Amino acid sequence: EPEVTQTPSHQVTQMGQEVILRCVPISNHLYFYWYRQILGQKVEFLVSFYNNEISEKSEIFDDQFSVERPDGSNFTLKIRSTKLEDSAMYFCASSRQGAGTEAFFGQGTRLTVV
Amino acid sequence: QKEVEQNSGPLSVPEGAIASLNCTYSDRVSQSFFWYRQYSGKSPELIMSIYSNGDKEDGRFTAQLNKASQYVSLLIRDSQPSDSATYLCAVNFDTGKLIFGQGTTLQVKP
Repeated sequence: EPEVTQTPSHQVTQMGQEVILRCVPISNHLYFYWYRQILGQKVEFLVSFYNNEISEKSEIFDDQFSVERPDGSNFTLKIRSTKLEDSAMYFCASSRQGAGTEAFFGQGTRLTVV
Repeated sequence: QKEVEQNSGPLSVPEGAIASLNCTYSDRVSQSFFWYRQYSGKSPELIMSIYSNGDKEDGRFTAQLNKASQYVSLLIRDSQPSDSATYLCAVNFDTGKLIFGQGTTLQVKP
């Protein structure tokens, strides 16, 4: 069964460093998303991406964040200068279409900023 | 502010019982509703989607939607210890993004 895959599963970084989280969405899906979940809190939407551009972003997704689809399979989230409060699980998700269709999540990357 | 509300629990049921999980949402325009299961330290796993008023059944799971009351629920029949997890209600309001509730922790006791 097709699935969303994410690498790495765990990333430890020093405050102020740049990190790139990687995702391979399901192959016939057209919409891609990043969510995050701080320990003990809700899953929060960060950004959606369609047709090689951001379609929507949340207040959390400030200038420190960027997304890219560098080739036909990968979808990346970059955090330019990490802060302690960026420590969270980051989930990539994809859906075949946009609004209203089922989204499937990757296994997540646990980001720890020290 | 569009919101999705769930009772955080824990909801404890004996093995074999029916577990009933509830969710309310704030926006009448919402069209799509989803239940995800999340084991501790893992990612959300899609269980059910529901788009129309009424019931939708899939195996031991039944999702129920009442748009007039802005209410969606998940019933788990014949609950098993392996069903012990956090159940997340998610609503798609007007774009592709999902708004999640805080989740209800279910404990199924053998």
